[in-house]
Amino acid sequence: DGGITQSPKYLFRKEGQNVTLSCEQNLNHDAMYWYRQDPGQGLRLIYYSQIVNDFQKGDIAEGYSVSREKKESFPLTVTSAQKNPTAFYLCASSIYGTYNEQFFGPGTRLTVL
Amino acid sequence: KQEVTQIPAALSVPEGENLVLNCSFTDSAIYNLQWFRQDPGKGLTSLLLIQSSQREQTSGRLNASLDKSSGRSTLYIAASQPGDSATYLCALTYSGAGSYQLTFGKGTKLSVIP
Repeated sequence: DGGITQSPKYLFRKEGQNVTLSCEQNLNHDAMYWYRQDPGQGLRLIYYSQIVNDFQKGDIAEGYSVSREKKESFPLTVTSAQKNPTAFYLCASSIYGTYNEQFFGPGTRLTVL
Repeated sequence: KQEVTQIPAALSVPEGENLVLNCSFTDSAIYNLQWFRQDPGKGLTSLLLIQSSQREQTSGRLNASLDKSSGRSTLYIAASQPGDSATYLCALTYSGAGSYQLTFGKGTKLSVIP
């Protein structure tokens, strides 16, 4: 089955820790995205990547980092510099180009202890 | 800056009713608009994508329309079922932001009562 997988489903972080969220897709999509969802707010873009070895900041990139070494994978690291990381994180992908539909993974819920 | 608004925030209807969900936006220079469904604790499921040059798209019991001049999109659900209960989100890409960046509304939470 083609799709987007995210792991883990739930993640707990202690203060001062870095954690990495995994996102993998087998749709052969060029573009991948990370969004953050908070209660009562719309989804907000953290980072996106249009091609391998290239990525751009979204609206709320501070305290986050990404890499894009393979077309299929776009991991997100939540660093200790992110002051309020508790949220639901969603990864998405699309075919390269402005007019294309984005498809989302099942999400990772991150909680800071 | 683009603002995307979905009103009402919550809607409850009896099973079998036809219903319309609304999405309004402030900047009409959009590339496309997408409607999503989100079940509690889950990811987003894409329902329909409308390009800026299109007026509507249909999939099964769902019909989405787009009127750029008035800054509105509607999602029509025919013969609603309890399984349609979910939060519905609209999102768009537009020329004022990165062309890949979806700008989301906060959603309408739909409850279909058996």
